[in-house]
Amino acid sequence: DQQVKQNSPSLSVQEGRISILNCDYTNSMFDYFLWYKKYPAEGPTFLISISSIKDKNEDGRFTVFLNKSAKHLSLHIVPSQPGDSAVYFCAASPTGANSKLTFGKGITLSVRP
Amino acid sequence: DSGVTQTPKHLITATGQRVTLRCSPRSGDLSVYWYQQSLDQGLQFLIQYYNGEERAKGNILERFSAQQFPDLHSELNLSSLELGDSALYFCASSVDVGLLFGDGYTFGSGTRLTVV
Repeated sequence: DQQVKQNSPSLSVQEGRISILNCDYTNSMFDYFLWYKKYPAEGPTFLISISSIKDKNEDGRFTVFLNKSAKHLSLHIVPSQPGDSAVYFCAASPTGANSKLTFGKGITLSVRP
Repeated sequence: DSGVTQTPKHLITATGQRVTLRCSPRSGDLSVYWYQQSLDQGLQFLIQYYNGEERAKGNILERFSAQQFPDLHSELNLSSLELGDSALYFCASSVDVGLLFGDGYTFGSGTRLTVV
């Protein structure tokens, strides 16, 4: 039972354009959502998060949007840069003690120069 | 350097063998999480320890076990290894037993296990 779904395994965009990475979840108990970025031979690194009380969180070129009714979130990267080429994981969790992150399978983003 | 140290980085072993993966959490973090990433799979949660005690279990096989020591480092023991156990094993740490808003896990760079 995959509770966090990233249905597109890969995305290719031109440098300077917008990258939109999508994520869907099924567990209604999830109220905290994160995006992680992973380069080859490295561990995932935290990128941006959003709690269920918000519908948008912005950090520089990165914006995460949350649609609770649709159980959908997306990560927007504007403008995309070649250094953004990596695997992006969506993760979700309930808050509280003993909560743990549930990850999607990841999306490989390639930004073409 | 994330502050989470995993050793070894690579491990090649034969089927039926036993290996131990080691993780030192970021300074100040009390929780340690183990995740497995197999080919074409996301990060699958295995087990969590907090300040030496097991707090949550995920899809961890009975052949696998873990512990967290008084100095907070953790070890993941994998025994009777099978070809399908070949994967990246990540350790992550966090300050608290659960997630706090604005916080996330800090991951190590992983141990790549190859079973031949």
